[in-house]
Amino acid sequence: GAVVSQHPSWVICKSGTSVKIECRSLDFQATTMFWYRQFPKQSLMLMATSNEGSKATYEQGVEKDKFLINHASLTLSTLTVTSAHPEDSSFYICSARVVVSYEQYFGPGTRLTVT
Amino acid sequence: QKEVEQDPGPLSVPEGAIVSLNCTYSNSAFQYFMWYRQYSRKGPELLMYTYSSGNKEDGRFTAQVDKSSKYISLFIRDSQPSDSATYLCAMSGAAGNKLTFGGGTRVLVKP
Repeated sequence: GAVVSQHPSWVICKSGTSVKIECRSLDFQATTMFWYRQFPKQSLMLMATSNEGSKATYEQGVEKDKFLINHASLTLSTLTVTSAHPEDSSFYICSARVVVSYEQYFGPGTRLTVT
Repeated sequence: QKEVEQDPGPLSVPEGAIVSLNCTYSNSAFQYFMWYRQYSRKGPELLMYTYSSGNKEDGRFTAQVDKSSKYISLFIRDSQPSDSATYLCAMSGAAGNKLTFGGGTRVLVKP
């Protein structure tokens, strides 16, 4: 149980285009999901907290107009990187919080390369 | 000073040895403590989830929390080459709140 999926696992896009990443909790409902960014050999950096049916809460320094988050259902949250640039290239990981136990389970991650 | 400190390693041990990992933290508000394992280019996998001080055992894994010392540990018994990964400690001030991560310790278990 407690499986989280992400799609796509790897995406290459051209500078200036937008990319959408999906995060799904497959066998549980998640009122809260989190989006992280991870650079090589570094720990996870929280970007935003996504709550179902409400606006996301962004961490300091994260541009909310650039990283659009939507949490439209109890099993799906999406992250859209708008007008992507090479510096947005990174490993993006989501996590979903189990309502009853509060444990957080992570997706497998999405590798974004912007050329 | 970071809120959560974790030795980056690498920590190299022979197969079958006990792996000992630890984190120290400065925020006394942290109540919930987690250990995750992350393989290269994969998402973190939850290993242990504990609340407050004490020990918790699950298979080959034992997690210890000492809130008075602001120190948590993870022990892996009978280590296997498949345990080679980066281990991340994480903690939060309240159940379900956002996590604060340590920097991760890279572990190498040599056959």
